[in-house]
Amino acid sequence: GAVVSQHPSWVICKSGTSVKIECRSLDFQATTMFWYRQFPKQSLMLMATSNEGSKATYEQGVEKDKFLINHASLTLSTLTVTSAHPEDSSFYICSARDESRYSYEQYFGPGTRLTVT
Amino acid sequence: AQSVTQLGSHVSVSEGALVLLRCNYSSSVPPYLFWYVQYPNQGLQLLLKYTTGATLVKGINGFEAEFKKSETSFHLTKPSAHMSDAAEYFCAVTGTGFQKLVFGTGTRLLVSP
Repeated sequence: GAVVSQHPSWVICKSGTSVKIECRSLDFQATTMFWYRQFPKQSLMLMATSNEGSKATYEQGVEKDKFLINHASLTLSTLTVTSAHPEDSSFYICSARDESRYSYEQYFGPGTRLTVT
Repeated sequence: AQSVTQLGSHVSVSEGALVLLRCNYSSSVPPYLFWYVQYPNQGLQLLLKYTTGATLVKGINGFEAEFKKSETSFHLTKPSAHMSDAAEYFCAVTGTGFQKLVFGTGTRLLVSP
């Protein structure tokens, strides 16, 4: 149980285009999901907290107009990187909390490797 | 505010040797502590967690960690390293009220034959 999927697992796009990454909780409902960014050989940096039915909460320094987050249902959150540039190339990981379990554990997706050329 | 410090960005051990990965935390509220493992190009997998109760926590793959409040530590250990344990390990802390996870910088475990 408590499986989180991400799609796509990797994507290559050209500079200036937009890319959408999906995060799904497969066997539980998640009112809260999280989006992280990880640079090579570094730790995870929280970008934003995605809340079902309301606006996402962005961490300081994260451009909300560049990284659009939509939590449209209890099982799906999307991250759209708009007008992508090479510096946006990174590993993006989402996680979700199964609040029905009253657990503080987050379940992580397998990540999406974004390369902007 | 919460923070995590992982001492040693790299730890090298021989196969069969003891694994010790260090984690110290800072938290203004009772902490919930986690160890995650990450293999290359993959997401994070939970190894073990401490929320309340027994301070010695056993996890998957033979790992365990002990919560020591007096030392603000949550070190991860495994009696005998296996080649398959080579990966990146992250310690993380959160508090009550579904606060966000705060991660340490990670420790890369290298296991030599």
